[in-house]
Amino acid sequence: KNEVEQSPQNLTAQEGEFITINCSYSVGISALHWLQQHPGGGIVSLFMLSSGKKKHGRLIATINIQEKHSSLHITASHPRDSAVYICAVRYPGGGADGLTFGKGTHLIIQP
Amino acid sequence: DADVTQTPRNRITKTGKRIMLECSQTKGHDRMYWYRQDPGLGLRLIYYSFDVKDINKGEISDGYSVSRQAQAKFSLSLESAIPNQTALYFCATSDSGTSSYEQFFGPGTRLTVL
Repeated sequence: KNEVEQSPQNLTAQEGEFITINCSYSVGISALHWLQQHPGGGIVSLFMLSSGKKKHGRLIATINIQEKHSSLHITASHPRDSAVYICAVRYPGGGADGLTFGKGTHLIIQP
Repeated sequence: DADVTQTPRNRITKTGKRIMLECSQTKGHDRMYWYRQDPGLGLRLIYYSFDVKDINKGEISDGYSVSRQAQAKFSLSLESAIPNQTALYFCATSDSGTSSYEQFFGPGTRLTVL
């Protein structure tokens, strides 16, 4: 089974800290998604990457296709960033059958 | 207004009961998905649909059925609910006309089977 591994599983940090969440996958992919799930349960898409780097506000996502690894960074973290961050991958030819998800990283930013 | 809606948002039922979870979308997307989320596990795909005439089983379809009544509506049924179907259920949509296949999620339905 193709695996998606996230680390750390849980992360507690102080407001203002630079946050890094990692995602590794086992076989070649066509795309990788980063999702955010707030305590209320709703899930929103943050980024879709197939190569390189993307930035949106204080969030930065990078992917290294050769190393099968992606990172999500949060600069100047804030308590409102507290959420579960989920990495999901799409395998080649898998565009129809959805995404394969990591178990998520539970992030808490303390004031 | 939300683009992807799910009803009900919360449901408590008893073992053996038939339950239907409904999903509607106003995004005009052709693809729709049902996932379940359990504590400590990632989201897992139950069923997906390319269009009204297309239904496909996902990773964990046993004990579930679906109906795509229209492009905008995709329902998930539990014919005879059992306690290990207690979970958070998400509907999602995507547009096959884009290269990203970005998925848009509904707010989730929290189902408890006693």
